[in-house]
Amino acid sequence: DIQMTQSPSSLSASVGDRVTITCRASQSISNYLNWYQQKPGKAPKFLIYAASSLQSGVPSRFSGSGSGTDFTLTISGLQPEDLATYYCQQSYTTPVLTFGGGTKVEIK
Amino acid sequence: EVQLVESGGGFVQPGGSLRLSCAASGFTFSGYSMNWVRQAPGKGLEWVSYISSTSTIYYADSVKGRFTFSRDNAKNSLYLQMNSLRDDDTAVYYCARGMAAVGYYYYGMDVWGQGTTVTVSS
Repeated sequence: DIQMTQSPSSLSASVGDRVTITCRASQSISNYLNWYQQKPGKAPKFLIYAASSLQSGVPSRFSGSGSGTDFTLTISGLQPEDLATYYCQQSYTTPVLTFGGGTKVEIK
Repeated sequence: EVQLVESGGGFVQPGGSLRLSCAASGFTFSGYSMNWVRQAPGKGLEWVSYISSTSTIYYADSVKGRFTFSRDNAKNSLYLQMNSLRDDDTAVYYCARGMAAVGYYYYGMDVWGQGTTVTVSS
């Protein structure tokens, strides 16, 4: 089974900061990697697919990169509405899917 | 409006059963694969099960043999029959639409319901 490990598990940053979240796969998954945003009390929202492609309607301050085992989600210019937990998800073993443990982003 | 609405959650004792439903609207339901994803209290997301448009089904090891996923395309509905429930099945259960953006393995979930809560406790 492919394990997905996110770091950090939580972070606190100020409005306007550049925030980077890391996701590591236990084996190479090419770029079969998605990112989701889950705001408190809400369902997850699909942000990025294929490691770096933004879903329609996602603000351009969100970006993704990586391939193989190491991936990053970057928020360039953190906004108050970005308060959320972010999850990576591998699709290399589609349709059996695996999520990372999540990274909680708090606003200072 | 594209929408998924879950129902059927509730309180059940260990060993009991529960049937969740998910009603889809606003899109051609029969053409999409669908998933159940759960989230235990204060925990992360866990993929539970997948059903293709033609009812090929996969399960997470944690629920295999206990849960049964089905769909009724005539009713635009999904069902998750959960048997032999355990304390660690306690979670919010989401149904989610599958999307393969640029190829089969680029598979994610682009539409989610609001979730239904299942509590397993004695």
